[in-house]
Amino acid sequence: AQSVTQLGSHVSVSEGALVLLRCNYSSSVPPYLFWYVQYPNQGLQLLLKYTTGATLVKGINGFEAEFKKSETSFHLTKPSAHMSDAAEYFCAVTANSGNTPLVFGKGTRLSVIA
Amino acid sequence: KAGVTQTPRYLIKTRGQQVTLSCSPISGHRSVSWYQQTPGQGLQFLFEYFSETQRNKGNFPGRFSGRQFSNSRSEMNVSTLELGDSALYLCASSLAPGQGNSPLHFGNGTRLTVT
Repeated sequence: AQSVTQLGSHVSVSEGALVLLRCNYSSSVPPYLFWYVQYPNQGLQLLLKYTTGATLVKGINGFEAEFKKSETSFHLTKPSAHMSDAAEYFCAVTANSGNTPLVFGKGTRLSVIA
Repeated sequence: KAGVTQTPRYLIKTRGQQVTLSCSPISGHRSVSWYQQTPGQGLQFLFEYFSETQRNKGNFPGRFSGRQFSNSRSEMNVSTLELGDSALYLCASSLAPGQGNSPLHFGNGTRLTVT
């Protein structure tokens, strides 16, 4: 079975500051890992994913995440926050077999202060 | 290419009633998943369909059911509505099951309010 823990239900950063959203996963088999973003009154949009290969993955809007197996982590970062980054971010995991549904964390709400 | 379309966007129902939500996947996508999103529980998996067959089912009571049609469109039904069923119901489609090469694309959801 898979599970995800997102540390911090709410993170607040200043515009131009580093964004760091934490995600730790649990999986009994090699995982596929994802970050999604949700803007108000909308569905979820895929930011980036890790399946195999390079452990540092780059996504849309300047976000990137690094898969660290030894730490069972997949933290999301962006060097410089923009006001438009304010949204809710979800980390998700599934087994690499593709036979299990995507399991989401509880989400982290990112606020960006001008 | 049009995205995932969910109808209706908003619904208000009374306890005890039933409701049907509709989802049209992205053209060419054959896998459809449904999730319930609430402030307390977050995103919880309901079910997944591929080629009209239910592949996976989440831990929800039998009042929650779904189906997929030959054109890949999907519906979910909730019978005997309870106040706790108030939530945002999200539909997501992908080319095929397994998100490695075919990640989920989400619709904007149907907001169900039960009074």
